[in-house]
Amino acid sequence: DGGITQSPKYLFRKEGQNVTLSCEQNLNHDAMYWYRQDPGQGLRLIYYSQIVNDFQKGDIAEGYSVSREKKESFPLTVTSAQKNPTAFYLCASSRGSGTYNEQFFGPGTRLTVL
Amino acid sequence: AQKITQTQPGMFVQEKEAVTLDCTYDTSDQSYGLFWYKQPSSGEMIFLIYQGSYDEQNATEGRYSLNFQKARKSANLVISASQLGDSAMYFCAMREGPSNDYKLSFGAGTTVTVRA
Repeated sequence: DGGITQSPKYLFRKEGQNVTLSCEQNLNHDAMYWYRQDPGQGLRLIYYSQIVNDFQKGDIAEGYSVSREKKESFPLTVTSAQKNPTAFYLCASSRGSGTYNEQFFGPGTRLTVL
Repeated sequence: AQKITQTQPGMFVQEKEAVTLDCTYDTSDQSYGLFWYKQPSSGEMIFLIYQGSYDEQNATEGRYSLNFQKARKSANLVISASQLGDSAMYFCAMREGPSNDYKLSFGAGTTVTVRA
């Protein structure tokens, strides 16, 4: 089945630690995205990548880093510089540019900083 | 400035009735796409319906229809014959053209609760 997988589903980390969230897609999509969602709120864009080996900052990139070495993978690292990392993180992908291309979402990772 | 505005934080609807979720948007692009997503309590985002800025007819997908009023920059979602499984958060989103790198902007969402 084609889709997007994110792991782990729940993640706990201690303050001051870096943590990497996984996102893999087998939809052969060119573009991938990372969003953050806080309780009761909408999605905010962290980083996005339209092609391999290229990525751009979104609206709230500070304290996060990404890589895009393979088309199917777009891992997100939450660094210790992120002041309030506890949130729900969603990864998405789409075929590419074009205003008509919908984004497909993974199941999300809930990150809690202890 | 907010690109997508959803003014209804929460709504209650009786089972089998219709409900309209409001969405207004702000863009200077001529070519853009409007999307509605459903997010149940599990957290997954489910694509519901799409409307292109050049589409002359309102989009429909099963029990979902989009009331697109371009001049008023509104794209309201209508859910007909509500079911208990429709209880979820609903997000309106807009994808603009190359000047905005085709990024998707989301509204704050509307929580819908369907009552039996």
